[in-house]
Amino acid sequence: DTGVSQDPRHKITKRGQNVTFRCDPISEHNRLYWYRQTLGQGPEFLTYFQNEAQLEKSRLLSDRFSAERPKGSFSTLEIQRTEQGDSAMYLCASSLIRRGRVEQYFGPGTRLTVT
Amino acid sequence: AQRVTQPEKLLSVFKGAPVELKCNYSYSGSPELFWYVQYSRQRLQLLLRHISRESIKGFTADLNKGETSFHLKKPFAQEEDSAMYYCALSGGSNYKLTFGKGTLLTVNP
Repeated sequence: DTGVSQDPRHKITKRGQNVTFRCDPISEHNRLYWYRQTLGQGPEFLTYFQNEAQLEKSRLLSDRFSAERPKGSFSTLEIQRTEQGDSAMYLCASSLIRRGRVEQYFGPGTRLTVT
Repeated sequence: AQRVTQPEKLLSVFKGAPVELKCNYSYSGSPELFWYVQYSRQRLQLLLRHISRESIKGFTADLNKGETSFHLKKPFAQEEDSAMYYCALSGGSNYKLTFGKGTLLTVNP
């Protein structure tokens, strides 16, 4: 499968713990996006990378959130001191910005439950 | 600011009936509009983008800049069309997507 992959698919953690999610984009895609989706809502943008550079962060991304994309390949999203409000589906998407083709390809998501 | 509105949370039709999923947007520039679909237990996948003007799985969508709408239509719904449909907008050089809340389409036999 050469699509976007995410790990883990499910994560249950206790409030106050740290969690880290991983996203592997489609090979050679230069853009990588993180979104968060809560029940009854569409995905909401969190942040994105152009190669290894993080170019934009949403106001949704509090100081407890950090994302990296070392060497412009896979990306990690870490949440420190988790809160119950962090419970959501975290989606990763990648795209290759070229000749006007900007469509994003999504991973299966990581469902986080904070108890 | 970018905003996408899908007024219907739920839409239920019978097989063979026409279906229209509504989408309105707000954006000050020239946006790109997309429809994404999520079948049960599958990931979000791109269905249509307005620039390509394609018909995918019998679905079409026309961008109406005057009404700021991008409604998704299919003349004869099939049971396999049952899914969650999201309208999304992309604007600016970051190409981030702004999604609507989605419409759950159920096609009854």
